[in-house]
Amino acid sequence: DTGVSQNPRHKITKRGQNVTFRCDPISEHNRLYWYRQTLGQGPEFLTYFQNEAQLEKSRLLSDRFSAERPKGSFSTLEIQRTEQGDSAMYLCASTYRAGDGYTFGSGTRLTVV
Amino acid sequence: GESVGLHLPTLSVQEGDNSIINCAYSNSASDYFIWYKQESGKGPQFIIDIRSNMDKRQGQRVTVLLNKTVKHLSLQIAATQPGDSAVYFCAENNRGSQGNLIFGKGTKLSVKP
Repeated sequence: DTGVSQNPRHKITKRGQNVTFRCDPISEHNRLYWYRQTLGQGPEFLTYFQNEAQLEKSRLLSDRFSAERPKGSFSTLEIQRTEQGDSAMYLCASTYRAGDGYTFGSGTRLTVV
Repeated sequence: GESVGLHLPTLSVQEGDNSIINCAYSNSASDYFIWYKQESGKGPQFIIDIRSNMDKRQGQRVTVLLNKTVKHLSLQIAATQPGDSAVYFCAENNRGSQGNLIFGKGTKLSVKP
């Protein structure tokens, strides 16, 4: 296991389409976080899982967004009815425990046209 | 509100010089801080972290200083190299949260050969 893996690296979609991203965290990490990053800004927190339980969601996570981590390992983030404002880099991070280093993946760059 | 911010959006240094990147935070409950380096098209890469019970921590060519009195964090890079060119983010976390990090906007470091 060499780190946090995210797929796809890039996604271009038409407005109104649904997209799904996948994150595979470091295997022994039970905490998984999704962030969104727009150009020139720092990452913004979206949601957090501890094992399979989704414990916190940001108000940035509208009802078009849904995240799952069904077996407490990989996670998916789905965006329904995409809008141009959803264009961003979606980052996944994992850690073994809070306040103890966070490893980020390379992100999925979403472009909505 | 709670925020993490940076004093300088851009920093240009000569190769071989030392670099200092600054960050201010406003949440006095924050007790864990991380510096990340982010290259274009990549996810944030962990550089160094520090807990609130420390005021200084050193790594390889990097030093983080924490001044809790004025809520200030800095990253010092010794003998800056062209490969250090990137955007640098500070991030904070507090013990009472679920562990999600709050990021500032970032400082772009450019190293001139």
